[in-house]
Order: sequence, then structure tokens, then C-alpha cells
Amino acid sequence: DADVTQTPRNRITKTGKRIMLECSQTKGHDRMYWYRQDPGLGLRLIYYSFDVKDINKGEISDGYSVSRQAQAKFSLSLESAIPNQTALYFCATSDNRQGSYNEQFFGPGTRLTVL
Amino acid sequence: GNSVTQMEGPVTLSEEAFLTINCTYTATGYPSLFWYVQYPGEGLQLLLKATKADDKGSNKGFEATYRKETTSFHLEKGSVQVSDSAVYFCALSVTGTASKLTFGTGTRLQVTL
Repeated sequence: DADVTQTPRNRITKTGKRIMLECSQTKGHDRMYWYRQDPGLGLRLIYYSFDVKDINKGEISDGYSVSRQAQAKFSLSLESAIPNQTALYFCATSDNRQGSYNEQFFGPGTRLTVL
Repeated sequence: GNSVTQMEGPVTLSEEAFLTINCTYTATGYPSLFWYVQYPGEGLQLLLKATKADDKGSNKGFEATYRKETTSFHLEKGSVQVSDSAVYFCALSVTGTASKLTFGTGTRLQVTL
């Protein structure tokens, strides 16, 4: 079984709709991240969380919100989707133990299209 | 701030050719350096890493050496295969920055027979 899972894998929605992307992990990691990937731009950090009570904005958080429901679950919401949020979204986790060197483990991605 | 610059793709090579993908970085602290690979339709996977100057990361025939003097971490492979076709991302993380990764824009590699 995959260590980091994302649902749905693909989603097409309309402008103005509320969308939630979900991420679950079985790695036991405390830290979780949401990124978006756009062609030619690489990956950009949206939000990250160190634990259930610690949520932080990344470089492109406008238009997004997150919820850390449990250590293993981290959801990303688009309250009112717009076409320029069409992208590939990745969830990732990392271990904060000494020596982990910030290596992150990625889910398979969610392809979101906003019409 | 922190940034990573990668050579633009796509890079097209014949099977068994030598591969180099250039990566340079700027960092406010002392970074760890990573190469991630993204195969078609999949998420990113860690390919290799190096955590201090002069370290060489290696995996699956790929190598990269952490060069502090030139702030570089170029990816190399002596003989590529069709199965190496993917997008390769160089990334860095600085200790004390909450494990945040800064990515390059990615380089697409296409290997043909």
C-alpha cells in the first residue's frame, strides 16, 4: 500500500465551486505539506503543518485553506475555485527526527481542472 | 532568499548516452541538496541527496556531487535508458527552515532508442 495517498486523483469542477482535496499518510510523520505544480514553474508550497495545532502559510496560500484533522490527515480546500487554480496538486510528508535532512515523501498527485 | 536554477529542457538523448543536468543554487544558510524524479503520471520520488560539501549522492546509476565552491549539484548518469525518461527536479532545504524544500523548475528528459 502507498504511504501517502491523495483523493481524488482527478477532478473537474466549475468556477465558484468549493473543492476539497484530501491527503492521508501511514508513515507516522509529523510534518505535512501541500504543493501545486504548474508547467515551467516547478513546485510551489501552498501550506505546511508541523502537527495538528500548527498550520503555516507557504508562498502561494491566497485562495486556499487547509485542515489538519489528525496527524495522518491534511486536507486542502479551495473555497471558490477559479480557472488559474487548474494545476497538479501534491501532498508530501517529512520526518522531523534528527538526521532526516528534510527529505520529503510525495503522494501521487491530484489533477484539478477548473472550468 | 533561497533559489534553485536548473537547465531548461527538454533534453533528448539516445539510449546509452551520457547525461548531465545542471543545477545551481543560492541559499541563506547551509543547505541539503536533493534530486527528485517524476515519472509520467506519478508523484515525485527522491532520487538522491547530499547533506554537506563534497558529498556525492548516488542511486540507480545517477550521481551528483555537492560543490560548495561553485554552488552546484549537477546530475549525471553514464548511460541512460529509455526507462529514465522523466522530469528531474533539483531542490534544497536549509536547516532551521521548517523542512521546506525549494525546487527548481524541473528538466524533462526524453530517452529514445
